[in-house]
Amino acid sequence: AQSVTQLGSHVSVSEGALVLLRCNYSSSVPPYLFWYVQYPNQGLQLLLKYTSAATLVKGINGFEAEFKKSETSFHLTKPSAHMSDAAEYFCAAILNQGGKLIFGQGTELSVKP
Amino acid sequence: DSGVTQTPKHLITATGQRVTLRCSPRSGDLSVYWYQQSLDQGLQFLIQYYNGEERAKGNILERFSAQQFPDLHSELNLSSLELGDSALYFCASSVGAGTRSDTQYFGPGTRLTVL
Repeated sequence: AQSVTQLGSHVSVSEGALVLLRCNYSSSVPPYLFWYVQYPNQGLQLLLKYTSAATLVKGINGFEAEFKKSETSFHLTKPSAHMSDAAEYFCAAILNQGGKLIFGQGTELSVKP
Repeated sequence: DSGVTQTPKHLITATGQRVTLRCSPRSGDLSVYWYQQSLDQGLQFLIQYYNGEERAKGNILERFSAQQFPDLHSELNLSSLELGDSALYFCASSVGAGTRSDTQYFGPGTRLTVL
């Protein structure tokens, strides 16, 4: 079945440390992949998207993600965490023709001072 | 601010009742999508409309229905409400008909509480 899996429902890092949020997909066709962020009591904001133009995608707020076909992964990274990065992060994919986004379960990022 | 607006922000109602959630897409966007976010199911796609026509359907219950009007705003109608319908309902919009390259921009959501 086509799906998106995020490893780790909670990730905690110290301020200034590397952020790594994991996402794997299962699909028989090349997917289009997205990372969204949800701050408390707010909607989803697009961080970045992969559309096959380049495997390393840069997004807003210093985040980037690398598409690795051999690993069916699209992990999100940021070199140095900031307190304002604390939020829930969702990996999502469009796995076939049609616009339905399939979401992972979400990863809550906590940043310790 | 994504440019997608949703009203109301919060809705509290009783079991068995019917409610209507409203969404206005970004200027120029022709597609509207509805998603449900709940603790047990996560974020689930419900339905998509493109330029007034139903385009795709997901895990939408028969008690739920939606439509998109000529001015492109959309309404999600939830009837015979049950406790399990309590969730955050998001609307998103995109320019195109829902091709894989379309980017969906999300509204702030409507939090529905069924008592």
